Order: sequence, then structure tokens, then C-alpha cells
Amino acid sequence: AQSVTQLGSHVSVSEGALVLLRCNYSSSVPPYLFWYVQYPNQGLQLLLKYTSAATLVKGINGFEAEFKKSETSFHLTKPSAHMSDAAEYFCAVSPSGGYQKVTFGIGTKLQVIP
Amino acid sequence: DAMVIQNPRYQVTQFGKPVTLSCSQTLNHNVMYWYQQKSSQAPKLLFHYYDKDFNNEADTPDNFQSRRPNTSFCFLDIRSPGLGDAAMYLCATRGTGGPDTQYFGPGTRLTVL
Repeated sequence: AQSVTQLGSHVSVSEGALVLLRCNYSSSVPPYLFWYVQYPNQGLQLLLKYTSAATLVKGINGFEAEFKKSETSFHLTKPSAHMSDAAEYFCAVSPSGGYQKVTFGIGTKLQVIP
Repeated sequence: DAMVIQNPRYQVTQFGKPVTLSCSQTLNHNVMYWYQQKSSQAPKLLFHYYDKDFNNEADTPDNFQSRRPNTSFCFLDIRSPGLGDAAMYLCATRGTGGPDTQYFGPGTRLTVL
């Protein structure tokens, strides 16, 4: 069984400030981990994914995430928030190895204050 | 350039009136999914197809059915929509052979009057 916990359903940052969105996972086998972004009335778009290669993963739009096995975490960061980053962000997990079901977290809504 | 297309983007139906949502893909992916997403919640998997093999989630209501006539198309049928079925419905596809990403369509927002 696998699950993810996203801490903070709403996060507000000032434009130009650091963005930190937290995700902790639980998985009985080595996981694959994903971050998706969803803009209003749109589908989900992949930001980045961890697939057991490098633990620091760089994604689109300046986002990155670090896989920390000891902390069972996969937090999403961006050094400087932009107004266009305002959206909902979902962390997701699936077991590694072949086709497996993906489990999503409840999402974190990011607000960027000008 | 669109890879996963959903029609319509917005659908209004009446309580109890059957409705069909459609999804098509140009990625030639084996796996197609239907998710239900209610406001401020995570997407909830309803079912998926691995090629023609249909897999229903245990808690998906019988009111929801699906068809996949070929690789490119997949349909979600809601036989008797209730007010609780108002949601965004997301279609996604995934390739096989590794940790391939799920590609999502833009969704269909269903309103039940």
C-alpha cells in the first residue's frame, strides 16, 4: 500500500519568495514520486518525477524536488515565486516496477501575493 | 498538438438523465484512466483500461460505466447522474514499460441540475 501526505492545504508566499510545498510518502516498496500542477479548470500537468535515479530532480518552470529516503519526503521547492505559479499542486506516488496505480495527495493550493 | 482531448469541456445534465463524456488520445498509449475530482480534493480513480482489459475500482458506483472501442477513444457513461456526481472528470493516459508519466486531458466539468 502507498500513500502521500501533503502538509498544508493552502500556502501563501510573496512574489519573489521561496516556495516550499511539503510531501511525505508511505510505501512498502521503493516508490516513484511525482509532482503535478493544476490550474483552474484544467487537467494535471507533470512538473517533475523521481524514478530512483538522481535524488535531486529538476522540473519545469524552475521547480525542483529532493527525494529523502530517511525522511520519507519529496518536498517541492522554487527559489523565487512568480505570480504565474499560483495553482494547485499534487504530490503522487506509485510503486516502482511495471505498471502500478498512482495515488494522489489532497493537494496544496499556492497563493502568490504581489 | 493536443495529446489527450476531452469533450465537452463543460456538460450540464439533469438529475437522472444519462450523460456520456468522451476522451481521445494521440499518444497511442495502452493505459487509459478516468478520474473524478471534486472541489479541493485529490483525483479519485474510477477505473482504467490496460489495452482492452477493464479494471474497476472497488468503490466505483455501478452508476458509472466505461467503454473503450479502440486504443484512441474511451467513454465514461453516467447512467443516472445524481447531485453528488457533479465534479470534474479527468481522463489520463500512460505508456507502459517503466515509470511513464500520466498525461491528463483538460477535464470535463459536469453540472447536475
